Amino acid sequence: GAGVSQSPSNKVTEKGKDVELRCDPISGHTALYWYRQSLGQGLEFLIYFQGNSAPDKSGLPSDRFSAERTGGSVSTLTIQRTQQEDSAVYLCASSPNQSRQETQYFGPGTRLLVL
Amino acid sequence: AQSVTQPDIHITVSEGASLELRCNYSYGATPYLFWYVQSPGQGLQLLLKYFSGDTLVQGIKGFEAEFKRSQSSFNLRKPSVHWSDAAEYFCAVRDTGFQKLVFGTGTRLLVSP
Repeated sequence: GAGVSQSPSNKVTEKGKDVELRCDPISGHTALYWYRQSLGQGLEFLIYFQGNSAPDKSGLPSDRFSAERTGGSVSTLTIQRTQQEDSAVYLCASSPNQSRQETQYFGPGTRLLVL
Repeated sequence: AQSVTQPDIHITVSEGASLELRCNYSYGATPYLFWYVQSPGQGLQLLLKYFSGDTLVQGIKGFEAEFKRSQSSFNLRKPSVHWSDAAEYFCAVRDTGFQKLVFGTGTRLLVSP
């Protein structure tokens, strides 16, 4: 079956603009995670969804970052008033449920460059 | 808080030689440990995982890892490296709360002919 898909693959934006990043998890997966991969910070957790609710938003770096998930499927990560330090690869992962044994399956990521 | 250390930023191995990538974790209870591989421009692919039981875990692509509680380590090994193994490798521990992954900083593997 299809894996996790993310769009766009690449996004170049100007400082101060808003961007939306999309994640399509594997069908039937209830748990969805966003991570960010940057040169200075490595791979860091942003937010976790179980169904449509987000019980763990502890990794969001500022209130410019928000995310939602609708219909227990597609998720959108929104960054408002982008800054150069937001430049990174944003990775989405899904798993069948939140069990510790479950594998998180990652998408190819969205590479964001803020000029 | 859980943490993962990968002490080697880069490793170069000759094709056909053996490989060991180091991973140390900090965690109070029994950890849930993972190794992922990331090829250039690709997402993360799971190589193997450890939860309990046999401390030697077999994964895909001929990789294995050994969990050593006394050393807080989960090193990744492969007996004979292929050029296609060149990639970045990440060790991770699963958080006990909402199950996020906590990653190490990664080790970039270069394979020389």
